[in-house]
Amino acid sequence: GNSVTQMEGPVTLSEEAFLTINCTYTATGYPSLFWYVQYPGEGLQLLLKATKADDKGSNKGFEATYRKETTSFHLEKGSVQVSDSAVYFCALSNRGGYQKVTFGIGTKLQVIP
Amino acid sequence: EAQVTQNPRYLITVTGKKLTVTCSQNMNHEYMSWYRQDPGLGLRQIYYSMNVEVTDKGDVPEGYKVSRKEKRNFPLILESPSPNQTSLYFCASSRYPTGGLNTEAFFGQGTRLTVV
Repeated sequence: GNSVTQMEGPVTLSEEAFLTINCTYTATGYPSLFWYVQYPGEGLQLLLKATKADDKGSNKGFEATYRKETTSFHLEKGSVQVSDSAVYFCALSNRGGYQKVTFGIGTKLQVIP
Repeated sequence: EAQVTQNPRYLITVTGKKLTVTCSQNMNHEYMSWYRQDPGLGLRQIYYSMNVEVTDKGDVPEGYKVSRKEKRNFPLILESPSPNQTSLYFCASSRYPTGGLNTEAFFGQGTRLTVV
């Protein structure tokens, strides 16, 4: 079956530091990959996505590249802000699937001033 | 404003007392899902629905029921809640299956359920 692996954290960074959150996956076929963000007390919001190999998703300064050869979709940001403090979920969905999404456990990011 | 609305936001109940968590979306989406979020386990899909009267089990359906009588509503029913169903629950909707383009899932704000 499908699975997504990411560290739980928390990851603690100082403001303006570089962020990497690793995500690797196991899936049949060619899944679509997603990063969702959950701010305190809220539901999840789509941050970025990539639907095929070598695609780069980007949004709000965050980036992730779909690497089929390493089955990875690592999230990066060059300079984090306190407002980026949240839980980040990597997820995948097989093409043609019907709302069948597999999430990682979520990585909590804390950015300190 | 496009949104997914869940009610209640917080609920404490006793073992065995039937309860329903409501979910409603105003985006005319066909696809809706329920997830539970637990520490160390992330989000796990409980049930999903592809359209009115079409539902199917997700990864952890035991102890839950759903119905989809109208496109906008997708209630989650716990016929006989037990303490292991204490969790944070999220409803989500999307226009298309999440494997394709334009498949962003919109999530509700969550329902924190405690079963004692």
